[in-house]
Amino acid sequence: AQSVTQLDSQVPVFEEAPVELRCNYSSSVSVYLFWYVQYPNQGLQLLLKYLSGSTLVKGINGFEAEFNKSQTSFHLRKPSVHISDTAEYFCAVSDPTEYGNKLVFGAGTILRVKS
Amino acid sequence: DAMVIQNPRYQVTQFGKPVTLSCSQTLNHNVMYWYQQKSSQAPKLLFHYYDKDFNNEADTPDNFQSRRPNTSFCFLDIRSPGLGDAAMYLCATSGSGTVSYEQYFGPGTRLTVT
Repeated sequence: AQSVTQLDSQVPVFEEAPVELRCNYSSSVSVYLFWYVQYPNQGLQLLLKYLSGSTLVKGINGFEAEFNKSQTSFHLRKPSVHISDTAEYFCAVSDPTEYGNKLVFGAGTILRVKS
Repeated sequence: DAMVIQNPRYQVTQFGKPVTLSCSQTLNHNVMYWYQQKSSQAPKLLFHYYDKDFNNEADTPDNFQSRRPNTSFCFLDIRSPGLGDAAMYLCATSGSGTVSYEQYFGPGTRLTVT
């Protein structure tokens, strides 16, 4: 079964600084990878996804992520964060050969942007 | 706008009193999911419907049941809520056979058990 490790439970960063949220997944022949954001008391919103093709994926709100198959990583980056980026971020993996498009989530990383 | 709707957003129930949470979607997706998310934890899949085909996760307690009367609606029934069932419950949908494979989430229902 797939598993996802988010290496940092909390990441504090100052406004306008760059940020990287780290995600590693257990190895598989093929995977689909996702980053979701969750604001307090809300559902999850998709930031970006990797299905195939270019390993650098661009998403909404200026976020991007790079798929690294050899390191089984899918780290999320933003060159300059805003206060409004304060939220919890979840990395998730899906096995395309598994019935039902099920997602396995990491434990989440809380991004705190300080002014 | 096409979306996933959950009602109510906040639900308070008493220990042992059955409760039903509702989810509807206008995306015409054939897969619907229910997740439980406890405070400061990742969402945990309880079960999903692939059309009318119900799929329970192995570790989902029997206390949790689900119904899907049609494509648009799905319900989560908690037969005898315990204090440990207090959580955010998230509904999501996915269109199998599409190229996106992503899941679309509703805003969630926060359940309090008193």
